[in-house]
Formats: sequence, structure tokens, C-alpha cells
Amino acid sequence: DAKTTQPNSMESNEEEPVHLPCNHSTISGTDYIHWYRQLPSQGPEYVIHGLTSNVNNRMASLAIAEDRKSSTLILHRATLRDAAVYYCILVGSNYKLTFGKGTLLTVNP
Amino acid sequence: EAEVAQSPRYKITEKSQAVAFWCDPISGHATLYWYRQILGQGPELLVQFQDESVVDDSQLPKDRFSAERLKGVDSTLKIQPAELGDSAMYLCASSLAGDRTDTQYFGPGTRLTVL
Repeated sequence: DAKTTQPNSMESNEEEPVHLPCNHSTISGTDYIHWYRQLPSQGPEYVIHGLTSNVNNRMASLAIAEDRKSSTLILHRATLRDAAVYYCILVGSNYKLTFGKGTLLTVNP
Repeated sequence: EAEVAQSPRYKITEKSQAVAFWCDPISGHATLYWYRQILGQGPELLVQFQDESVVDDSQLPKDRFSAERLKGVDSTLKIQPAELGDSAMYLCASSLAGDRTDTQYFGPGTRLTVL
């Protein structure tokens, strides 16, 4: 499985935008980029996914670099409820989610 | 909104005892997954079912772990005997089709403590 690299932790202030980076230099042409997050004491929840084009949904936006070797999850206005571990995962031909350690996002009031 | 149900939420057992966890996926979801999450790490896939068939159990410690999904709906994960190193969160997830664009929906997990 192609690997992803994320910062261990990031900090943000409430109501400010947050940009969570992910590097995936060994991504293959058919790998999808998925983001999940895990709030404290809960199971992971799906955030967004994309292949080549930028994607938006009600939770976040996903910006994918033109060479697909990196992507950025954008939370437009962070709230305290967005404090979680965010996982960037490549899903390829085996359809598996292989979780790394993710990025722990702290949101300050 | 439909959710994945798991029980129990918490389980404390002594080593060498048997434990079992139950999962009820979202109705209509053909694919069911069991993950183990050790504190401070991301979840690790233990077993994946497509309907009632196992499609991947390469990370399941088969000497002590077993999983079944007899009617292709709910599923049970068993550990016998439990060891101290099995203390972890056990997560169940389900998805419609199990392909690379599919969304997995996770349950709240069962936190196992082995004493």
C-alpha cells in the first residue's frame, strides 16, 4: 500500500480556517485519497474523498495537487467539535483503509 | 440516520478467558470489517467479510481469534484465550460495496481490558 505522511499535531483557533496537509509521493494513478477523522472515544467517521479534482462537501474541502503527490484537507471555520485525529488514507486496488497515526487537531476557543 | 451497533461498549476480562464482541451493520451493507485499535495508533484491519464470506483475514491472529457472519448480516468476533496484549478498542465498520470509492461507517467500538 502507498504510504501517507502527515504532521503529528496541529493547532487552530475557533472559527478560523484549518489546512491539514498530507504527502503521498508514491500514490498510483488509480488510488483514491480518503480522509477520515476520529473524535475522542468514538469510531472514525468519513470526511471526504477524491481522485484528481478538488472536492467539496458540507464538512470540508479537499484540495489535490496537480501531480497528486500531496493533498490538503480544508476546514473552513473550525469549531471545538472539529478537535479530532484526522487520517489521510490512500485506497487502491485492494480497497483497504490502511490507517497511519494521523494528525491530532487541537482547536482553541 | 442508520448506525453501526456494537456491544458491549466495555469489557474487562482476565487473561486466558474467552470474550466475544457483536456487531450489527447498517441494513443493506454487504461488506463488514473488524478493526483493532491500540491506544495512540490508527485502526488496523483484522478481518473483512463480503456477505457471509471472509475476503481478507490476513492480519487476524487465527490461533486465538475467530470471526463469523453466518447469515451475512450481524457478526461476532471472538478471542479465546485473551492475552494482556489484546487490550485495545475493537471497531466494526460496514460499507455498501467495499470498493475504492466506498464510505466505511464505523460503530462506537468495544473497549477491551485484559487483566
